[in-house]
Amino acid sequence: KAGVTQTPRYLIKTRGQQVTLSCSPISGHRSVSWYQQTPGQGLQFLFEYFSETQRNKGNFPGRFSGRQFSNSRSEMNVSTLELGDSALYLCASSPLSYNEQFFGPGTRLTVL
Amino acid sequence: DQQVKQNSPSLSVQEGRISILNCDYTNSMFDYFLWYKKYPAEGPTFLISISSIKDKNEDGRFTVFLNKSAKHLSLHIVPSQPGDSAVYFCAASANTGNQFYFGTGTSLTVIP
Repeated sequence: KAGVTQTPRYLIKTRGQQVTLSCSPISGHRSVSWYQQTPGQGLQFLFEYFSETQRNKGNFPGRFSGRQFSNSRSEMNVSTLELGDSALYLCASSPLSYNEQFFGPGTRLTVL
Repeated sequence: DQQVKQNSPSLSVQEGRISILNCDYTNSMFDYFLWYKKYPAEGPTFLISISSIKDKNEDGRFTVFLNKSAKHLSLHIVPSQPGDSAVYFCAASANTGNQFYFGTGTSLTVIP
């Protein structure tokens, strides 16, 4: 079974721009979660989608948004990028709620 | 506010000895806990989990202990192997879908 894939793997943007990251979960997995990883902060939960509905949301500003499509693929969008948004963005999928999650390799976003 | 804490950023252990990684949490509603291992340039990989109805769970060389009264869990690796060298994250959830709170990670180095 193919693992979780994330595209692109690396991205460089400038302040004020917007960015869209993509995540394809493992086939059959309906839950997709997004995390931001920065040095010293560990993984911070952004949001979780289950069957195209946002079910949980972390404590991030409204500039961070996401969606899930009927095939469970998910995208997250960050608008008006700030320097502090530079991070590794990880996507994780699981077959049901309340399960261990399978992570993708992440997208490394650098904001200049 | 960091609800899950890993107070040791790094740990070095001799090959063959026991590695003990610690994790503390503050939210008494957490009832499901996981450990992940992360290699550079890869997403975290699920290792082992434990629910609050148990105080110990074993899987091969890995054992997780949960002390609910102390809000503390630990991961024991016996015997430690050089391939275990990675960053280890603990995570916790309060049965609210897949909203997991992660610690900041402990970097384990197993010295041959």
